[in-house]
Amino acid sequence: EVQLVESGGGLVQPGRSLRLSCTGFGLIFENYAISWFRQAPGKGLEWVGFIRMKAYGGTTEYAASVKGRFTISRDDSNGIAYLQMSSLEPEDTAIYYCSREYDIFHRGYDPWGQGTLVIVSS
Amino acid sequence: DIVLTQTPLSSPVTLGQPASISCRSSQSLEHTNGNTYLSWLQQRPGQPPRLLIDKISNRFSGVPDRFSGGGAKTDFTLKISRVEPEDVGVYYCMQTTQFPHTFGQGTRLEIE
Repeated sequence: EVQLVESGGGLVQPGRSLRLSCTGFGLIFENYAISWFRQAPGKGLEWVGFIRMKAYGGTTEYAASVKGRFTISRDDSNGIAYLQMSSLEPEDTAIYYCSREYDIFHRGYDPWGQGTLVIVSS
Repeated sequence: DIVLTQTPLSSPVTLGQPASISCRSSQSLEHTNGNTYLSWLQQRPGQPPRLLIDKISNRFSGVPDRFSGGGAKTDFTLKISRVEPEDVGVYYCMQTTQFPHTFGQGTRLEIE
């Protein structure tokens, strides 16, 4: 069974940094693009950013709301994708999910992890 | 950015009756490769999202056949033929045709 597990969330002060991890189980991690998403309390889903497979350059895309503050990277040897968040703002408070693009022909995302909660507050 | 607008935002339905959710895009979701990357996701209370359908109408593995998707270009629909208790939750359309990926606001499905 394919699983993605997010970790690294917590309470952080505005302006500080935090790194989230997305660990994959039951899949050949290097074969998949990964996206990060978030969901503010009681709100809808928001796409945060994307990292391509190394075979496609491993390049990244970001939402305008996080560009320049957030960085996605991957360590395929350990099956982990990272979301490095800096200059955090209270508006970044959300559950953060990662998911894989399960194939390039459908561009659907499955599975989704359970999420990790980030609270930005003083 | 592509804006997806879902209607209705809330849908009270009777068990065993059909339900339908619309998703309208601010521009065509047809990619230059001819494919249209419109997905539907379900989020049950307290759970992460779950993929139901992608590429407009491709039902994902394990998804009951009472769920179906249709549409083209800018207008898409998710249909549930007979609502079951486990279908309660919020449904989102999502486009992955271009970056940034975007979502509809979500439609809350409730049992009457």
